[in-house]
Formats: sequence, C-alpha cells, structure tokens
Amino acid sequence: AQSVTQPDIHITVSEGASLELRCNYSYGATPYLFWYVQSPGQGLQLLLKYFSGDTLVQGIKGFEAEFKRSQSSFNLRKPSVHWSDAAEYFCAVGAGDMRFGAGTRLTVKP
Amino acid sequence: DTAVSQTPKYLVTQMGNDKSIKCEQNLGHDTMYWYKQDSKKFLKIMFSYNNKELIINETVPNRFSPKSPDKAHLNLHINSLELGDSAVYFCASSTRLSGELFFGEGSRLTVL
Repeated sequence: AQSVTQPDIHITVSEGASLELRCNYSYGATPYLFWYVQSPGQGLQLLLKYFSGDTLVQGIKGFEAEFKRSQSSFNLRKPSVHWSDAAEYFCAVGAGDMRFGAGTRLTVKP
Repeated sequence: DTAVSQTPKYLVTQMGNDKSIKCEQNLGHDTMYWYKQDSKKFLKIMFSYNNKELIINETVPNRFSPKSPDKAHLNLHINSLELGDSAVYFCASSTRLSGELFFGEGSRLTVL
C-alpha cells in the first residue's frame, strides 16, 4: 500500500534562509508525487508534481523538489524563504487514490 | 469564478443531527473526492467518484453517505453526527490522467 512519511512536524527558519522539507514514500511502482501547501483556513494548493522524466522538478513560488528513487524521497526545497511561505506543507503520493503525509508546519522568523 | 466550491464553509450542530455538505466543480473533471482533515491536520481520503460511480470507499462509518447526481457535483450526507465527526471536510476533483487534485476551501464541521 502506498504511504508517505514527513519526518518533521514543525520547522522554523529565518526569513531569507534556505529550506528543505523531507518526504519519504512507499509505493509499488513509479510513483506520482506531489507537494501541496495549505495556508490557515484555506484549501490545498499544488506547488509541484513529479510523474516521470527529469528528477528535479520546478514549481510555483520558487519551490523545487528532487525525486530520488534510491532513497524513496521527494524533498522540497527553496533557496530563500519569505515570510509569506509560513504554512502547512503536505507531500502526497498516488493518482486517483492520493495519500498524504501528516504535514510539516513551517514557521518563518523575521 | 471558483473552480471547486463547497457549501457551507462552517457548520455547527448538535450530536445526533443529520447534515449535508455540497460540492461543485466547474473544471470539467471526471473524478471527485471527499477528504477529512482532523485537528492534527492529517488528511484522509473518504470517498472517490468517477463519472458518478463510486470507486473508492475507505473505512468510513456508514453514517456517511456520498451522492453524485452528476459528474460536476458530489455531496456528503452525515447521519447521527458524533463528536468525533468534527473536522474540516475537503472536496477535490481531478482528471484520471493528470492525478493532480484541485481542492475546495473546506467545510469546517463542529459537533457539540
């Protein structure tokens, strides 16, 4: 069965610092992988997705993620965090039956 | 023009009552979903419909009954509400090819 693990429940970074959010997945075949962001009181917005091809995927708002099959990982990165990036981030796997990780809450310090 | 819209956005009710949440999408997608997000933000799939046909039915109490009158609408009816039903319920839609989910803004249900 497919599943996703986000090891970090809460991460705090300073504005302007780099960010990496971790995601590990379990899936029987080549996975469809996603990162979503949820601002307080809002629905989820897609940041980026990986289906196949180039393992470094660019998304919206300056985010990128790298698929590493050998490590079953799909970590999200951003070189310089802005205060508006504070939100809950979800990694997800699958298509038609998408399963989400528990989420990582990002706090941005001034 | 909202792509996936849910009503109501907030719902406060007493234990034992019956309530419904409605969802509509104008994206032309053929698949719609209900997800439940608990107080710890964990998102769990409940149901999925493809072209009005139920294709995913997770381990959800039978007090929850989805209904899809057409492929643009997916409603959720909950009977005999319990305290543990308090959560945010998200509707989403996708095409089967893309896999990407488009979410509504959620319906926060509070059972007192």
